Amino acid sequence: GQQLNQSPQSMFIQEGEDVSMNCTSSSIFNTWLWYKQDPGEGPVLLIALYKAGELTSNGRLTAQFGITRKDSFLNISASIPSDVGIYFCAGQRTNAGKSTFGDGTTLTVKP
Amino acid sequence: SAVISQKPSRDICQRGTSLTIQCQVDSQVTMMFWYRQQPGQSLTLIATANQGSEATYESGFVIDKFPISRPNLTFSTLTVSNMSPEDSSIYLCSVDERPYGYTFGSGTRLTVV
Repeated sequence: GQQLNQSPQSMFIQEGEDVSMNCTSSSIFNTWLWYKQDPGEGPVLLIALYKAGELTSNGRLTAQFGITRKDSFLNISASIPSDVGIYFCAGQRTNAGKSTFGDGTTLTVKP
Repeated sequence: SAVISQKPSRDICQRGTSLTIQCQVDSQVTMMFWYRQQPGQSLTLIATANQGSEATYESGFVIDKFPISRPNLTFSTLTVSNMSPEDSSIYLCSVDERPYGYTFGSGTRLTVV
């Protein structure tokens, strides 16, 4: 089946630092999605990318859809304590809506 | 974006019993999905809930174990049947509402004892 390799698995950073995480796949995806999950909650969509090469920002978050369609990255600038959580990438091959998820990146921000 | 109400939010169940999880959306959506998130793990798609027809199950998931209903465009249920401790997970429903994105419910945290 399709697999997404998400890295790093976890990050421990100081407040104010920038963060970068990425996902790669051996398969092509037509859509890349980035989610954040807080404890006890469902994932919340941060950014959706629909075109190869697309670079999209949402506040301090920036994500890019790789040209090859096989990768995507998420950057968080000037991290703050509320950025703590698990970040998941997800890819979709068609417009069918179902997603394949990466294993997640657990982010810890030290004040 | 759509607002999803998922019930129950958590439950502790005896092995061998069944639990039905409800997912109510505040608007009509074409596609609804059910995911499982085992402790400390990522999300795995169980099935796509199709309105007016049988759900489409992913590899490793079967209708007898996870029967799904989708009576209309705003509601779906997932039943976890004949539960065992290995079924202890968070179960999440999700809707696809392009171009606004993909929204998840807050999940049902199931513990089987």
